[in-house]
Amino acid sequence: EVQLLESGGGLVQPGGSLRLSCAASGFTLSSFAMSWVRQAPGKGLEWVSVISGSGGSTYYADSVKGRFTISRDNSKNMLYLQMNSLKAEDTAVYYCAKNRGQLVPGWGYFDYWGQGSLVTVSS
Amino acid sequence: DIQMTQSPSTLSASEGDRVTITCRASQSISSWLAWYQQKPGKAPKLLIYKASSLESGVPSRFSGSGSGTEFTLTISSLQPDDFATYYCQQYNSYSWTFGQGTKVEIK
Repeated sequence: EVQLLESGGGLVQPGGSLRLSCAASGFTLSSFAMSWVRQAPGKGLEWVSVISGSGGSTYYADSVKGRFTISRDNSKNMLYLQMNSLKAEDTAVYYCAKNRGQLVPGWGYFDYWGQGSLVTVSS
Repeated sequence: DIQMTQSPSTLSASEGDRVTITCRASQSISSWLAWYQQKPGKAPKLLIYKASSLESGVPSRFSGSGSGTEFTLTISSLQPDDFATYYCQQYNSYSWTFGQGTKVEIK
């Protein structure tokens, strides 16, 4: 059974940093691209970033480019999101999501999601 | 970025109704479109991918259609478990975007 479990969320001041982690199980992590998707309170879904199965390719939404870094450790079955220079508008539930396949056209959708981790940016 | 616009934003319907949600893309995305269902406090659930392919385990009352810039999600006979918010998502290029969501409410 595929399971994704996020951790690392919490309250952080504007300008601060936080690292989210996602523990994956039930599948071979290296065979799939992985993504982060966020949802501000009461708002819709926003894709944040994706990383290829090997970790060699990454893409980011314009809203986080240059501030957030996605990474993975396939040997530990872990996905990460390092968030720097946090702003109030980064406040959201952050979901770890499994892509259907590798980072190739046609597999840019998400077949499994974690339960989410709340990040609150406030002074 | 490709903008995705869903309509309506809110839909009031009764059990047994046929429901249709529309999603329009600001440019052609071929058939690279997915639909998700989300209930309050829960993660989204994949319903449809590649515009019309039903995800395994999803009831057959859900169907998707369209290509290019206009897409629809249809629920043939609304069930109590279907009252939720629905999102479309394009994955045509590596800057994936979601629609703003359609909330299906009890009439």
